[in-house]
Amino acid sequence: GAVVSQHPSRVICKSGTSVKIECRSLDFQATTMFWYRQFPKQSLMLMATSNEGSKATYEQGVEKDKFLINHASLTLSTLTVTSAHPEDSSFYICSAPRQGFSYEQYFGPGTRLTVT
Amino acid sequence: AQRVTQPEKLLSVFKGAPVELKCNYSYSGSPELFWYVQYSRQRLQLLLRHISRESIKGFTADLNKGETSFHLKKPFAQEEDSAMYYCALHSWGGSNYKLTFGKGTLLTVNP
Repeated sequence: GAVVSQHPSRVICKSGTSVKIECRSLDFQATTMFWYRQFPKQSLMLMATSNEGSKATYEQGVEKDKFLINHASLTLSTLTVTSAHPEDSSFYICSAPRQGFSYEQYFGPGTRLTVT
Repeated sequence: AQRVTQPEKLLSVFKGAPVELKCNYSYSGSPELFWYVQYSRQRLQLLLRHISRESIKGFTADLNKGETSFHLKKPFAQEEDSAMYYCALHSWGGSNYKLTFGKGTLLTVNP
C-alpha cells in the first residue's frame, strides 16, 4: 500500500529556534497533504491543508506565520515551526489522500517535537 | 460546524466478548464516516468506511442517520484488537475537504 514518511521522527530544539518537518509520499503523488497535531492522550487536530502550487489553508486558531507550510512538489510537504516555544512541543502527523479517494488518508508515523 | 463525539475514552472487554465503540456526529451535510485504528507503536490506518458496508477484521459499523451515530461493533473481540480507535467525519468546506476526528477510544481486550 501507499506509504507516507516523515522526517525527523524526533527532534529537540531550543526555544526561539525554528525546526522543519518533512512529509513525503513515497510511491504516489499527493497534490494535497494534511498536517495534524496530537497532544498526549488526545485526538488529532487538523492544523492545515497543504496544497501543491498554492498557499496552505489553515484551520481557525492556527497561526500561519508560526507554522509555515510549503508544498514544494507532488511528493513533499514541509512544516516549519518558527520561533519555537515549549508550548509547541507536541506530536505532529501528516497525511496524504489516496488518489481518487479523498477520504482515505495515508498517515505518516509522526514527528515528536520537544522544545526546551 | 462538524463534530465527532466518542463518549468512551477507555473500553475494556474480555477475549470473546462482544464489543461496541460508540461514535456520534454532527454535520449539516451528507456524512461520510470512517473508523481509523492505531495499534501500539504503529501509525494511524483506515479500518473501514460506511460507504462500503464491509466487514474488516470482523468489525462492522452502520451509519444511523436518525441517531447520527456510527458505532463500531465486533461480536467476538480478540486480543489483537487492542488499539486506539478513532471515528472520523469527512467533510467539505468550499473547495477543500478534511477529516474531523473524535477523541478516540482505547480498547483493551483482556485474555
